[in-house]
Amino acid sequence: DVKVTQSSRYLVKRTGEKVFLECVQDMDHENMFWYRQDPGLGLRLIYFSYDVKMKEKGDIPEGYSVSREKKERFSLILESASTNQTSMYLCASRGTGDLDTQYFGPGTRLTVL
Amino acid sequence: GQNIDQPTEMTATEGAIVQINCTYQTSGFNGLFWYQQHAGEAPTFLSYNVLDGLEEKGRFSSFLSRSKGYSYLLLKELQMKDSASYLCAAVDSNYQLIWGAGTKLIIKP
Repeated sequence: DVKVTQSSRYLVKRTGEKVFLECVQDMDHENMFWYRQDPGLGLRLIYFSYDVKMKEKGDIPEGYSVSREKKERFSLILESASTNQTSMYLCASRGTGDLDTQYFGPGTRLTVL
Repeated sequence: GQNIDQPTEMTATEGAIVQINCTYQTSGFNGLFWYQQHAGEAPTFLSYNVLDGLEEKGRFSSFLSRSKGYSYLLLKELQMKDSASYLCAAVDSNYQLIWGAGTKLIIKP
């Protein structure tokens, strides 16, 4: 079974803090994704990566950056957290096929005070 | 623009049948996914349709009409554990997923 893990289930940070969200997958997937999920809105893609050290902006990259130094790990960075970044963050991974299923981690609920 | 519409919330009775609709408008189309998400948990894959018609998988079936830009998820013999959000996502011409906001399904005894 594919397993996608995220470093924290719940996180509380202060405005202006630098925040790291980590995601690890164990299925040797090339593609990894970061989404945020807010009530009443669909999953919104922040960034994705199709290979080590490669990254592409999604629909809402502003205020975020990412790092993919190893194939299994994809990190989301909030350089200076703001209250409007309070959200549920979901990481997903997918194999090489464009139509392969995405497998999601359990999510990190981030609150920025 | 690209858009996915699905009802915000639905209520159904244990043992009954419920149909959750999804309409989509995308630039190009390469299929449609349905995912289930229990509260506080990760979305999990339910189905993928790319051809017109109905695909049945146990108590769950998914239907697609490409000409109408329409899909539905049909859940039969509802169980309390089916209480969850159901997410519809269409695949556009760039193979990116366009997600709906999800339909929260409440099952009553």
